[in-house]
Amino acid sequence: DAGITQSPRYKITETGRQVTLMCHQTWSHSYMFWYRQDLGHGLRLIYYSAAADITDKGEVPDGYVVSRSKTENFPLTLESATRSQTSVYFCATWGQETQYFGPGTRLLVL
Amino acid sequence: QKEVEQDPGPLSVPEGAIVSLNCTYSNSAFQYFMWYRQYSRKGPELLMYTYSSGNKEDGRFTAQVDKSSKYISLFIRDSQPSDSATYLCAMRGGGYSTLTFGKGTMLLVSP
Repeated sequence: DAGITQSPRYKITETGRQVTLMCHQTWSHSYMFWYRQDLGHGLRLIYYSAAADITDKGEVPDGYVVSRSKTENFPLTLESATRSQTSVYFCATWGQETQYFGPGTRLLVL
Repeated sequence: QKEVEQDPGPLSVPEGAIVSLNCTYSNSAFQYFMWYRQYSRKGPELLMYTYSSGNKEDGRFTAQVDKSSKYISLFIRDSQPSDSATYLCAMRGGGYSTLTFGKGTMLLVSP
């Protein structure tokens, strides 16, 4: 049971490039979330989705785009990456009253 | 004032010590309280989950919630080097609401 997976696990890109981070869950949970984690800021919610084709902004949505065409997938796209988007990105799903996290993607924007 | 306050540490203790980790919060609508453990370069994993006030025990771990004081705690008995990690508190209101996290406390348990 893979649960929740993220790909790639590590990514280096350049300023201005488009980057897509993938999140896949095997549980068919309705809710999915994207966070970024930075020193001094902790976990901050970027976007979340209550179901396929339903998404909503979190605390720090600027510069990010999400889509949810299938329940099991929730990709996060940085349309034009900036250095301030260098971070660790975590995807999460909702199950049994709380959230469960994926292993994370480390993104470096040069 | 931030919604959830958590001392970032690091907190260094010797093996076998009792560890106390704490969070304070300001939003009285929070009803569900969680502790996550995060090892270096890993995702947060759920450690303890409690509803409303009271205590919950699971092995060496005890979670306490005092809603009147807006204060939650995680106690670790007989701490082990494998407990070295960052501990994040999290909380939410009712329904499928989003979680509000503390920034995490780094714990170091030395052999």
